[in-house]
Amino acid sequence: GEQVEQRPPHLSVREGDSAVITCTYTDPNSYYFFWYKQEPGASLQLLMKVFSSTEINEGQGFTVLLNKKDKRLSLNLTAAHPGDSAAYFCAVSGGGSNAKLTFGKGTKLSVKS
Amino acid sequence: EAAVTQSPRSKVAVTGGKVTLSCHQTNNHDYMYWYRQDTGHGLRLIHYSYVADSTEKGDIPDGYKASRPSQENFSLILELASLSQTAVYFCASSGRDWGYEQYFGPGTRLTVL
Repeated sequence: GEQVEQRPPHLSVREGDSAVITCTYTDPNSYYFFWYKQEPGASLQLLMKVFSSTEINEGQGFTVLLNKKDKRLSLNLTAAHPGDSAAYFCAVSGGGSNAKLTFGKGTKLSVKS
Repeated sequence: EAAVTQSPRSKVAVTGGKVTLSCHQTNNHDYMYWYRQDTGHGLRLIHYSYVADSTEKGDIPDGYKASRPSQENFSLILELASLSQTAVYFCASSGRDWGYEQYFGPGTRLTVL
C-alpha cells in the first residue's frame, strides 16, 4: 500500500524566515494531496489541498508544490510568524474507490520571534 | 457550529475495562473514520465505515471494534482496555468528492491505568 515519508520531524526557524516541509510517497496513482495543521492540544484542520493535475497551490502564506515525477509534495512557508507554530501533516489519497488517506508522521514547526 | 463532535473529550479507564468512544457528524458524509495519534507515529487508521451498519478494518484494528448504527454516528469500542491503548483518538468524516477530504473532530484523550 501507499507509504508516505515526511521530513523533517522537527523544524525550528526565526520569525520572517522560510520553512520547507517535504513528503515523498510511493503510489504513482496517488491523485489528491492534503496538508493539515494541528495546533498544540487541538484537532487537525485542513490547510491546503492540491490535485494531481495541478502542481502549485498558494494561500494563507503557504505554497504547496507537487512534483509527480519524483513523487514529492512540499509545503513552503515564505515568511514564518509565531502563529505558524504547530504540527503539520501531509496526507495522500488515490481517490477512486480508495477512501483512505495515508498520513505522514508530521513535522513540528517552531517559529521563534 | 462543529460538524464533527466527539464524546467524551477525555477519559481515564482501568486496564481490562470496556471503553466506548462516540462520534457524531452533521456533514451528511458517507464516510467516517477512527484514528489514534501517538507521538512519533502521526495518525494511524483503526476502523472506518462507508455506510451505516457496516465497518471496515483500518491499518491497526487489533484490540478495537467499531459500530456505525446510523450515518451520523460512529463508535469505537475497546472491550478490554490495555495500557498500550493510551492515546488521543480522532474521528473524521468525508464525502465522496475531492479525494475523500476529511474533516476531524476535536479528539478524545484516553488514559488507561
